[in-house]
Formats: sequence, structure tokens, C-alpha cells
Amino acid sequence: DAMVIQNPRYQVTQFGKPVTLSCSQTLNHNVMYWYQQKSSQAPKLLFHYYDKDFNNEADTPDNFQSRRPNTSFCFLDIRSPGLGDAAMYLCATSRDDRYTDTQYFGPGTRLTVL
Amino acid sequence: GQQVMQIPQYQHVQEGEDFTTYCNSSTTLSNIQWYKQRPGGHPVFLIQLVKSGEVKKQKRLTFQFGEAKKNSSLHITATQTTDVGTYFCAGPGVGGSEKLVFGKGTKLTVNP
Repeated sequence: DAMVIQNPRYQVTQFGKPVTLSCSQTLNHNVMYWYQQKSSQAPKLLFHYYDKDFNNEADTPDNFQSRRPNTSFCFLDIRSPGLGDAAMYLCATSRDDRYTDTQYFGPGTRLTVL
Repeated sequence: GQQVMQIPQYQHVQEGEDFTTYCNSSTTLSNIQWYKQRPGGHPVFLIQLVKSGEVKKQKRLTFQFGEAKKNSSLHITATQTTDVGTYFCAGPGVGGSEKLVFGKGTKLTVNP
């Protein structure tokens, strides 16, 4: 089945130790998104790619970076995780931008920062 | 900036009771989407509304889009324990139609 896959599902890192979260999709969608979701809050968009075009949200800290080496894969790099970065990180995809299209979410990676 | 407001934040019902969550945007929306997130899960797309005054039904769920395309509602008839979760509305963000702005969500709990 076509899907959005995130690895790992759970990630524990130490304060300040870089961490990379990965997302892959078999939907062949043009757009890939990274969201941060904290407990009892809505998903907060960090950035997204439309094909190779990177779009950063104005309030996304510089500590968060992303790479999309090809259509199928997208990575979230947290250069120096702080305690406040502990959250669920959700990857999502959508087909195109003719109008706001359905977003398909992966299962998420829960990040713990010690 | 654009805001999507959703009420109530929490709703607890007895199984069999009805449930409604309301969504309001500060700007006119080209469309609105609804997502459900089960406890411990990820958001799952439910429906998209595009037309002014549109009403769509999915079994016990009824979705409405306001005439002015600035508000929407989700109504669940005769809730079941499987309806438990957080329901989010989301509308297109300013400056990029491929972005979504999510409401804060309504967390529904159902007492069996």
C-alpha cells in the first residue's frame, strides 16, 4: 500500500546532540511537510518542500534544518536539540498545490531530549 | 496573521449523545479540511469542503461549510467509543496554498 513512513518511531537524544529524523513516501507526491506537535496542541508547520523548492516558516528556529535528496525522501535535522524540542514530529505529503490538497501524515517520530 | 479558531477545546459526552465542534477563520477560505487524530496516532484526513454552504455526510458525521466560507462545523450523531480522538479543522495558509493552518482541535472523550 502507498504510504508515508517515518523512522525511527521513537528517538531519544541528549541535550545538544544532533539528531536526524527520516521520512519516506511511496505516494509520489510533490509536496512534503514537517510538523512539530506537542502534547494537546495542533501540528505546527516547520517547513515544506514543493518538489525541490524549500519553504521555511518564519518562526521556525535555525536549529531545524531539512533535506530532500529525492522525491521519496525527506529528512529533518535538529542541530542542537534543547529540552523544548521534545515533541512528536510528523511528516506529511500532498499531491500538488492547485488548491490545498489532502495531506497524508506518517505515524510520527516521538523525540525525547535528555 | 491568519487564524483558525476551533471550539470547544474539550468535549466529554456519554455514548449515544451528539457532538459538535465549530471552526472559524479570520479570513475567507477557499476550502476547509477536517482531520481526526486518535490518541497516540497521527492526523487522518476526513473530508474537504470547497463550496459555500456545502454539507457532506459520512455515516454519522455531518460536515458543513458556511455561506461566507469563514466557518465550518462537524457534527457527530449518536457518538460511539470509536469516535474518541481530537478533531482538527484546517484551512489554506496565506501565501501558499499548499500549506494548511490548523485549528487547535477539539478533544472528544466518550463515556461508555
